[in-house]
Amino acid sequence: AQKVTQAQTEISVVEKEDVTLDCVYETRDTTYYLFWYKQPPSGELVFLIRRNSFDEQNEISGRYSWNFQKSTSSFNFTITASQVVDSAVYFCALSEPGTGANSKLTFGKGITLSVRP
Amino acid sequence: DTAVSQTPKYLVTQMGNDKSIKCEQNLGHDTMYWYKQDSKKFLKIMFSYNNKELIINETVPNRFSPKSPDKAHLNLHINSLELGDSAVYFCASSQYQGYSYNEQFFGPGTRLTVL
Repeated sequence: AQKVTQAQTEISVVEKEDVTLDCVYETRDTTYYLFWYKQPPSGELVFLIRRNSFDEQNEISGRYSWNFQKSTSSFNFTITASQVVDSAVYFCALSEPGTGANSKLTFGKGITLSVRP
Repeated sequence: DTAVSQTPKYLVTQMGNDKSIKCEQNLGHDTMYWYKQDSKKFLKIMFSYNNKELIINETVPNRFSPKSPDKAHLNLHINSLELGDSAVYFCASSQYQGYSYNEQFFGPGTRLTVL
């Protein structure tokens, strides 16, 4: 069965610090997709990134970057020069599309990031 | 324009009552989902529908009955509400693409409080 582990539960940093959120996954499939979602205090879930198992290139989007390492089954998320608006709960998620329409998204327990001014 | 909308946003009710939550998406997706987020923020899938057909039913009590009148709508009816049903319920949608998996877009959530 697929599993996502976000071992860090809460992280607190001061504005402008860099912070890395860890995500480790387990899957038996060779084809899978990884995601990160952000849930700000307002409560909505915001999609950040989707990465398939065949693409190990790191991705950068502004202050956000993602490091995908198949060898360690990790998909870590780094925020550079954090800002107060980055305060949120961040979820890593995994999907195994090989099950067809029965495929589902399995979420980690989330990491609460607090960025202090 | 809101991509995935849910009504109501807040729902406070007494134990034993029956209530419904409605969800609509205007993204043209063919797959819709219901998730439950508990007080510890843990997100778990409850149901998924593809083209109005129930695909995933994750051992949810049969007091919960989803209904999809068309591809753009997925409602959740809950009978005989219990204290443990208090949670935030999220609707989501995505486009099914066979041996791929597209991102899901979530609604704003419905906070259900059972007293």
